[in-house]
Amino acid sequence: QSALTQPASVSGSPGQSITISCTGTSSDVGSYNLVSWYQQHPGKAPKLMIYEVSKRPSGVSNRFSGSKSGNTASLTISGLQAEDEADYYCCSYAGSSTSWVFGGGTKLTVL
Amino acid sequence: QVQLQQWGAGLLKPSETLSLTCAVYGGSFSGYYWSWIRQPPGKGLEWIGEINHSGSTNYNPSLKSRVTISVDTSKNQFSLKLSSVTAADTAVYYCARGIVVVVAATPYYYYMDVWGKGTTVTVSS
Repeated sequence: QSALTQPASVSGSPGQSITISCTGTSSDVGSYNLVSWYQQHPGKAPKLMIYEVSKRPSGVSNRFSGSKSGNTASLTISGLQAEDEADYYCCSYAGSSTSWVFGGGTKLTVL
Repeated sequence: QVQLQQWGAGLLKPSETLSLTCAVYGGSFSGYYWSWIRQPPGKGLEWIGEINHSGSTNYNPSLKSRVTISVDTSKNQFSLKLSSVTAADTAVYYCARGIVVVVAATPYYYYMDVWGKGTTVTVSS
């Protein structure tokens, strides 16, 4: 059960856009449109931001968007705000014998 | 609005058994998969295992030999037991609701939409 690969850190200035990648394999990200993204502020529980690759739960800003190409999913945050500074985790379905697989997490710093 | 409230012992000695419980309030217990996830200090999320309302379980292979997840549908609660803990089990433990769709007996894992606040568990002699 290998973790998905994310960059350790990304940064951007307020108002800019950033993209966080999540690389898996043809057995997980590449095979299913079941990628989700979670935001986690320090000391808080993860919060669902994107599900089924590109869908946003009610209440999540439309500045957050998701996409997928091949074995790599991406989370894009546009119009960066200070409150977006957090850790972000991707998660993918990887087949019935594997259940949930998370990425290693990416720390977003808003400069 | 569904809420998950979790509790359990926060300080354990090596070789003891970790025991946590998560209660579901404000929503249905059936029709979902209920997971435990942990996060060691400064590290990422690790899925531990899950159970559905029928009591069917799945565990992370790396922890399977030490993990037991059970359910009490009469109380809308599910519990985690992790035996023979070591310092490596020190982490924040979360419970979460998973959206899983079963098609032709195959479960497809969509996302986790509701999370508990987390319980810090420290293993130290």
